[in-house]
Amino acid sequence: GESVGLHLPTLSVQEGDNSIINCAYSNSASDYFIWYKQESGKGPQFIIDIRSNMDKRQGQRVTVLLNKTVKHLSLQIAATQPGDSAVYFCAVGTGNQFYFGTGTSLTVIP
Amino acid sequence: KAGVTQTPRYLIKTRGQQVTLSCSPISGHRSVSWYQQTPGQGLQFLFEYFSETQRNKGNFPGRFSGRQFSNSRSEMNVSTLELGDSALYLCASSLEAGSVLANEKLFFGSGTQLSVL
Repeated sequence: GESVGLHLPTLSVQEGDNSIINCAYSNSASDYFIWYKQESGKGPQFIIDIRSNMDKRQGQRVTVLLNKTVKHLSLQIAATQPGDSAVYFCAVGTGNQFYFGTGTSLTVIP
Repeated sequence: KAGVTQTPRYLIKTRGQQVTLSCSPISGHRSVSWYQQTPGQGLQFLFEYFSETQRNKGNFPGRFSGRQFSNSRSEMNVSTLELGDSALYLCASSLEAGSVLANEKLFFGSGTQLSVL
């Protein structure tokens, strides 16, 4: 199986600052990772993914870092905006199933 | 291209009743997965269907069941509802077989919020 945890249940940042959201997983065989954003009343929205053969991947204002040695995943959001306020969680693919963290609630302070 | 569509958006039921939730995947997607989301537990995997066959199942009691039709639309059913079944039920679709094995993205619907009184 798999155990997925997030380091902080809540995170507050000033608008314009960078945000870092972390995720830890337990199974070294996990090979695919996705970050999702979930706004209130909506379903999870795909942000960015990364495969286990990579350690970094960049998107528009977002970067995912994967450290397989310590089984740690992070999502970095550059120049955080009010529209980034949401719950963020990671999905860890292990075997034929995804395991999800409980989420970090990001609040952006104007 | 339309996203994953789930109906109904909200449901209120009483203990002992049964409920059926519906999910229409993204056009062309053949795999449909169901998840239960609660504040304390996060997303818990219920089951996955591909080509009308249940291919993977989570650790939920037999009261939770599902099926997939030939057009890839899926339904899940919960019988003999309990208070603890109150949750947001999410459906996710992906393109092909074995989302994780194929490194395929999961796309979620907005969910059905079920309240059991």
